[in-house]
Amino acid sequence: RKEVEQDPGPFNVPEGATVAFNCTYSNSASQSFFWYRQDCRKEPKLLMSVYSSGNEDGRFTAQLNRASQYISLLIRDSKLSDSATYLCVGVNYGQNFVFGPGTRLSVLP
Amino acid sequence: ETGVTQSPTHLIKTRGQQVTLRCSSQSGHNTVSWYQQALGQGPQFIFQYYREEENGRGNFPPRFSGLQFPNYSSELNVNALELDDSALYLCASSPVDPGRNTGELFFGEGSRLTVL
Repeated sequence: RKEVEQDPGPFNVPEGATVAFNCTYSNSASQSFFWYRQDCRKEPKLLMSVYSSGNEDGRFTAQLNRASQYISLLIRDSKLSDSATYLCVGVNYGQNFVFGPGTRLSVLP
Repeated sequence: ETGVTQSPTHLIKTRGQQVTLRCSSQSGHNTVSWYQQALGQGPQFIFQYYREEENGRGNFPPRFSGLQFPNYSSELNVNALELDDSALYLCASSPVDPGRNTGELFFGEGSRLTVL
């Protein structure tokens, strides 16, 4: 079983839609979590941190549930420019960043 | 401020050969990590360097080795290349010492290796 798992998608949604991605992790010792975004044939870039109390940044909301070992990302009012792969990341005590396989999103006009 | 740069951007090797990939970290960043990203997969952690010492290693065999130099730049060396080594190799630098993680890794654009 992979340490960080995600539904690979693709998620094809129309502009303006709300879309939610889920991620589960198996290492209960993971210290912190993040969502990274990776455009096609580009490098990953940090999108946002994930906290148990929830974290909102504009149209993006991230949430961590430590009891269920579950992380979510909600994107409201999807834009064409949101089309990308979204990578769920857990960081272990040894500062090892563990990336999930990514969820591919296509926002359609 | 100069970002993370990697070279070469693309290269083709044959099975059994050796390859060296290079990375210049972002200015002021003292920690460098290397990742392997196969097609359709997330980046897999290879190892991390801090103050010229390996500071953490993922599940990769010893034929994957690295170096960090006093100017914080780094090299990834892969010996005895196998077909499955074909992937995008990403270098990431971060500005803080290990133990004070901010969660932001600054990635280079990667070196795309094809092994034939």
